[in-house]
Amino acid sequence: GAVVSQHPSRVICKSGTSVKIECRSLDFQATTMFWYRQFPKQSLMLMATSNEGSKATYEQGVEKDKFLINHASLTLSTLTVTSAHPEDSSFYICSASQGSQPQHFGDGTRLSIL
Amino acid sequence: QQQVKQSPQSLIVQKGGISIINCAYENTAFDYFPWYQQFPGKGPALLIAIRPDVSEKKEGRFTISFNKSAKQFSLHIMDSQPGDSATYFCAASSAGNTPLVFGKGTRLSVIA
Repeated sequence: GAVVSQHPSRVICKSGTSVKIECRSLDFQATTMFWYRQFPKQSLMLMATSNEGSKATYEQGVEKDKFLINHASLTLSTLTVTSAHPEDSSFYICSASQGSQPQHFGDGTRLSIL
Repeated sequence: QQQVKQSPQSLIVQKGGISIINCAYENTAFDYFPWYQQFPGKGPALLIAIRPDVSEKKEGRFTISFNKSAKQFSLHIMDSQPGDSATYFCAASSAGNTPLVFGKGTRLSVIA
């Protein structure tokens, strides 16, 4: 089946640091990638939709300058949390799809800001 | 405004029993209804999905029942096992590659 790899799986860093999370589709070309945020025991909250070669579309309330998304190729999208603060600590999950095919999710990145 | 309502929030089922999770949606433009299974510390994994042209889809122990007129769909897990203990999310999306709208999740515990 389709595999989406997300890296790193866990990151702990100091407040003010910028953190980059990678999302790769390993066996298909991901025309669209999605980034979600999930708080403990809650559902997934869509942050942004990213189409290859285009600017990401952010959901209402998500700061574009805070969460930088790049989708430069059909197999890679990155999410950079700039100047991270403790309130940015969360579980970040990406998903990828090819055309109208089902979304497949990565295993998430646990971000902890001290 | 929550577009996909999921219930129950948590569920405890005896091993071998049937687990039933329900979802209701509001947007009639939705035409794709997947169920995801998520274990702690992992991303959601696609379990089974259905489109409105059928009323039921079965894959192994997992069955989706779909009621278009009532705008409801449900997941049935037959012969539930302790390994099925996880959080289950229903979701919905409209035509094309539009973002999924997720329910709030159901935490299933299957006890021996």
